[in-house]
Amino acid sequence: DIQMTQSPSTLSASVGDRVTITCRASQSISTWLAWYQQKPGKAPELLIYEASNLESGVPSRFSGSGSGTEFTLSISSLQPDDFATYYCQQYNSYTYTFGQGTKLEIK
Amino acid sequence: QVQLVESGGGVVQPGRSLRLSCAASGFTFSNYAMHWVRQAPGKGLEWVAVISYDGRHKFYADSVKGRFTISRDDSKNTLYLQVDSQRAEDTAVYYCARPLVDRVPSSFDHWGQGTLVTVSS
Repeated sequence: DIQMTQSPSTLSASVGDRVTITCRASQSISTWLAWYQQKPGKAPELLIYEASNLESGVPSRFSGSGSGTEFTLSISSLQPDDFATYYCQQYNSYTYTFGQGTKLEIK
Repeated sequence: QVQLVESGGGVVQPGRSLRLSCAASGFTFSNYAMHWVRQAPGKGLEWVAVISYDGRHKFYADSVKGRFTISRDDSKNTLYLQVDSQRAEDTAVYYCARPLVDRVPSSFDHWGQGTLVTVSS
């Protein structure tokens, strides 16, 4: 099975900062990667699909890049609503996999 | 609009069985593969299983293979997850999720609210 490794596990930042989260796949997944945001007690929400495509309604401060085994999620200017946990997910194979998550905290 | 509503969770004893349901509306259910994803308390997301749009193909995470069975009833627009031989580590919120794109592997653009399964004696 394809393993997904996110870093860092926790990220402390301030409103207005630019942050980047990295996701690595154990084998090439082309661009079959998604990013989700999850807030406590809520279902995840899709941010980015196919590595770099912004889901409808998601603010443009979110962006994704990468292909093969290395991917990043960037948030250009953090807003208070962005403090949450972020997950990457591969869907290159029929057995999907999530990364372990990155908790974005207020510094 | 698209709605996914899970039900069937609760407290179950180790070794017992449970069937979770996900009622779908607002889209052509029979066109989409459907997934189950779970999240143990305080932990990350774990993909559990997928069933193809036509029900012919099913895939499972290694952690649940042989114990969980995914199925669908397109006449009722409902997805199911039969969970047998429950273990403590199966305690989680179980979400159903719909892919962004029908009939091919895709990210999930719609999720249910989740149903909590607690395995405890």
